[in-house]
Amino acid sequence: GAGVSQSPSNKVTEKGKDVELRCDPISGHTALYWYRQSLGQGLEFLIYFQGNSAPDKSGLPSDRFSAERTGGSVSTLTIQRTQQEDSAVYLCASSDSNQPQHFGDGTRLSIL
Amino acid sequence: GQQLNQSPQSMFIQEGEDVSMNCTSSSIFNTWLWYKQDPGEGPVLLIALYKAGELTSNGRLTAQFGITRKDSFLNISASIPSDVGIYFCAGQPPGSARQLTFGSGTQLTVLP
Repeated sequence: GAGVSQSPSNKVTEKGKDVELRCDPISGHTALYWYRQSLGQGLEFLIYFQGNSAPDKSGLPSDRFSAERTGGSVSTLTIQRTQQEDSAVYLCASSDSNQPQHFGDGTRLSIL
Repeated sequence: GQQLNQSPQSMFIQEGEDVSMNCTSSSIFNTWLWYKQDPGEGPVLLIALYKAGELTSNGRLTAQFGITRKDSFLNISASIPSDVGIYFCAGQPPGSARQLTFGSGTQLTVLP
């Protein structure tokens, strides 16, 4: 498809388990972003990748969160030892140069 | 960190009425963006503003980038049922940082 694709769309897991969330950005977009949206809230920045530069990890809430972007395209956000407060919608966005960010539909993560 | 105050939090209007919502910031932004989010989907870009004082329209939507660079408003004219959703403002700060700071959203309900 032409848009940002995220998978899975929904993920339910037990507290303490690790989860991996995937983002396929729009083809050719050099920048990729991860945000977290808690219920009824705005989006909270997590991490930003730009080309081959070191990622901006300033928004990651703890060392249980990490992300990779392989080959300048697909990105994976990993949450280790999940906690109930990690329950949220995780949104990925991509952009080209200085253009606005375009979002995927997110992964709704529920921690039991 | 930077804070965006978005108001109102929610609005109930009659179909055909005009709507106005706004965002203010404690610091300046280089770019203001307005997004709409429907349930279960990611935010969709409505309007992007790049210059202080800029007034931009997109169909029934009009948005302005405040002259102080610390505020923006979005107007929707002649509302229709499909305007229902959550509207978010987002700002991009000066400098190399590319991540967006989001307002907490305005939930719009259009009554028939």
